[in-house]
Order: sequence, then structure tokens, then C-alpha cells
Amino acid sequence: TQLLEQSPQFLSIQEGENLTVYCNSSSVFSSLQWYRQEPGEGPVLLVTVVTGGEVKKLKRLTFQFGDARKDSSLHITAAQPGDTGLYLCAGPRNTGGFKTIFGAGTRLFVKA
Amino acid sequence: SQTIHQWPATLVQPVGSPLSLECTVEGTSNPNLYWYRQAAGRGLQLLFYSVGIGQISSEVPQNLSASRPQDRQFILSSKKLLLSDSGFYLCAWRFGLSSGNTIYFGEGSWLTVV
Repeated sequence: TQLLEQSPQFLSIQEGENLTVYCNSSSVFSSLQWYRQEPGEGPVLLVTVVTGGEVKKLKRLTFQFGDARKDSSLHITAAQPGDTGLYLCAGPRNTGGFKTIFGAGTRLFVKA
Repeated sequence: SQTIHQWPATLVQPVGSPLSLECTVEGTSNPNLYWYRQAAGRGLQLLFYSVGIGQISSEVPQNLSASRPQDRQFILSSKKLLLSDSGFYLCAWRFGLSSGNTIYFGEGSWLTVV
């Protein structure tokens, strides 16, 4: 069974701190997506990583796809209150078809 | 560009009443469409998906049903709501061809069954 495990489940930090959240699996994924979801809204896509070892930057957010394409990380530099939300990673099922596997998410709270 | 819209945003319904949540996608043809439910503090549970008009696959046995009467319209329904149907419902779409796995979500619909 393909699973995506995210850690930590919850993170509360002060504005200006750096943080890293992780998305791990024992299975290889052809791609992984990261989403941010704010309360009462749908998840919004942040990035898709496709190539093993790939690093993508989105302002203060840095995403990395593991060399073996089994894991990914999201690093936020100088976190701001606006970064508060639920961060979800997701990837396609290897059996093909049209289904996506989601991690349970990391809930981030950045205090001003 | 593509957009997705679902409504209503918020719904409070009594137990035993019917339900209809609607979702439409614009700017693409023959998308894959999905309904997810997200319980408070928990992950996303796939309820239904559709790869074409009239084609519905159910992931879990439940009190809900889905229909796709038009290419870019997806409807979530129930004849009689249960308390356990309360939750946050998300419609989503993906390109029908295998051009990537990225799923795009609607704004979500809060359903409270009382």
C-alpha cells in the first residue's frame, strides 16, 4: 500500500524562524505535489516536483524531491504569519488510473 | 486558464433532508473530476471520481451519490442526510490525459447536519 507520511503533524513557531516539514514514503512516486490549505478553503497548489533531486524555490519556500523519488521536503525561511495553514503533500498511485494519495498534512502556526 | 467553482459554500441541513452540492470546471475538456471529504483535523478522503460523462466510481460505501450530467459538471447528492455526513466537501479536477497528476481544488463546501 502506498502511503505518504508527513511530519511533524503540528508545528507552532515564532515569526522569523525557519522550519522544514517532511513527506516520506517507502514507495517511488513519479511526482509529488505540495499544497497549502487555509481554514475553510480548498487546498492551493504550491509546486509539483518531478525529477529526483529536484529543488524548486517559491519566494521563501524551498521544495526538494529526494534522489530516489520517495520523499520530499518543504523548507520555509523566515516564516511569517501568512504562512500559517495546513501543508499537504500528494502523489499519484503507482497502479495508474486516476487516483491521488494524500498525506495527512502538517499544520503550521506562525505567531507574530 | 482553468477554473473550478463549487457551491454552496456553507450549508446547514436537518437529518433526513436531501443534499445537492454542485461543481463546475471551466477552461478544459474531459477533465477527471473528484469529490473529497475532509473531516475536522483529518486528511482527505476520496468519495467519488469520474473520468467521463455518466461514469462514476465510488470509493467507499456511504449515504452519498454522485452524478456527472455534463462534461464539466459534477454533483454530490444524498436523499437523506445523516449526522455523520457533516464535514468539508471538496470538488477537484485533473487533466483527463496523463499529462501530470496535479489536482486542482474548488473552494470547498461546509456541510453541517443538525
